[in-house]
Amino acid sequence: DTEVTQTPKHLVMGMTNKKSLKCEQHMGHRAMYWYKQKAKKPPELMFVYSYEKLSINESVPSRFSPECPNSSLLNLHLHALQPEDSALYLCASSQEPGQYGYTFGSGTRLTVV
Amino acid sequence: QKEVEQDPGPLSVPEGAIVSLNCTYSNSAFQYFMWYRQYSRKGPELLMYTYSSGNKEDGRFTAQVDKSSKYISLFIRDSQPSDSATYLCAMSAVKAAGNKLTFGGGTRVLVKP
Repeated sequence: DTEVTQTPKHLVMGMTNKKSLKCEQHMGHRAMYWYKQKAKKPPELMFVYSYEKLSINESVPSRFSPECPNSSLLNLHLHALQPEDSALYLCASSQEPGQYGYTFGSGTRLTVV
Repeated sequence: QKEVEQDPGPLSVPEGAIVSLNCTYSNSAFQYFMWYRQYSRKGPELLMYTYSSGNKEDGRFTAQVDKSSKYISLFIRDSQPSDSATYLCAMSAVKAAGNKLTFGGGTRVLVKP
C-alpha cells in the first residue's frame, strides 16, 4: 500500500457545525502533515506530527484541532469555521521526519456555508 | 520577495516538445529539492527528489539543481497531453524543524495534441 487515503472527498458544512477529516496511511511513515490549499495557490502547512506527537502548529486558529490517535491515522477536527476556510485540505506523510519525499493524499474539498 | 519564485505560466507546448520548468530561491540553507505534479482537484504527486546540487534523471524527467545560482530546473522530454498539470517546486533546509517544505507558486503546463 503506497497511498495516503483521505475521507471524505467532499464536505459541505455550516458555520455552526462540527465535522472531522480523516487521513490514513499504511506505509509505516512516522511523520504526518496537514496542509491547506486555496485555488491556484501552493499548499500551506498547518500541522506536523512526528512519531504521533504534534511538532509544529503554524499558528493555525483553534477552530482547527488535529489529532493523531496512532501511527497510521490523522484527524482534523473542525468547529465554527468561516467561509474563508473553504479550501482543499491535504494530508501527507513521510517515512521519517527528516525525509522529504512526502506522499500526499487526494484531499478533502471543504466548503463552509 | 518570496523565498521561492516560480513563473505561474501557463506554459503551452505541442505534444512531443521538451517542457522546461524552473524555480529560483533566496534561502541558501535549502538542501532538499523536490518537484511535484498536481492535476486539477487532486493532491500533489512527488516526481523528483534531489539532495544538494547536481542532476537526476528518471525516465522522461530530469531535475537539475544549481545551488551556486539558487536555481532548480525540471525538464520533461517527449511531452504528452497527460503531462498537462500544475508543477510545483518545493524545498527544505537540512533537518529543518518539523520538516517544513517551502513551495513555489506552481507553473501550469498545457501540452497540446
